[in-house]
Amino acid sequence: AQSVTQLGSHVSVSEGALVLLRCNYSSSVPPYLFWYVQYPNQGLQLLLKYTSAATLVKGINGFEAEFKKSETSFHLTKPSAHMSDAAEYFCAVENRDDKIIFGKGTRLHILP
Amino acid sequence: GAVVSQHPSRVICKSGTSVKIECRSLDFQATTMFWYRQFPKQSLMLMATSNEGSKATYEQGVEKDKFLINHASLTLSTLTVTSAHPEDSSFYICSQKAGANTDTQYFGPGTRLTVL
Repeated sequence: AQSVTQLGSHVSVSEGALVLLRCNYSSSVPPYLFWYVQYPNQGLQLLLKYTSAATLVKGINGFEAEFKKSETSFHLTKPSAHMSDAAEYFCAVENRDDKIIFGKGTRLHILP
Repeated sequence: GAVVSQHPSRVICKSGTSVKIECRSLDFQATTMFWYRQFPKQSLMLMATSNEGSKATYEQGVEKDKFLINHASLTLSTLTVTSAHPEDSSFYICSQKAGANTDTQYFGPGTRLTVL
């Protein structure tokens, strides 16, 4: 079964700086890849998903992610961080049996 | 997107009691529902998968007699934590998939369970 690895449990960036959250998937190409955001004591909100239609996926709130098969990566980026971006971010993969497997999560801190 | 609700949002119970958590799809029919558990500062772990009208499939290490799942209709799934203990305190989140040909799961807002 597919799995994902998120590098860095905590990432801090200054407000206005580039946000880069790293995610690598296991070797075989997964059918679907996702990035979710979770604010404290809340459920998950889908940021974006990769479905093989395009390698660069644009999501909500200015986030985007690029699927790179050669690097088995699906890193999440945002050109300019905002204070409201502070949250927990999960990379996830959906296997062919419809089960979603989540990475361990990365806590994004925004410094004023 | 589709809306999934969970009830209650928070529950506190005494050790040994049972707690039922509801997961409803408000504007679509969910053929498949998933239940996740999230411990503090950890990721979501899939507990079980249920299809309407059939028994749930539990992940390895999840006790089916302790976590009873009922997917009685296309809009409602329930998770009952039986004889709850403090170690069952967690954030429980459900997700639903509208059909076999859709690639999107919709997550509920979660239920915070605290067992005293």
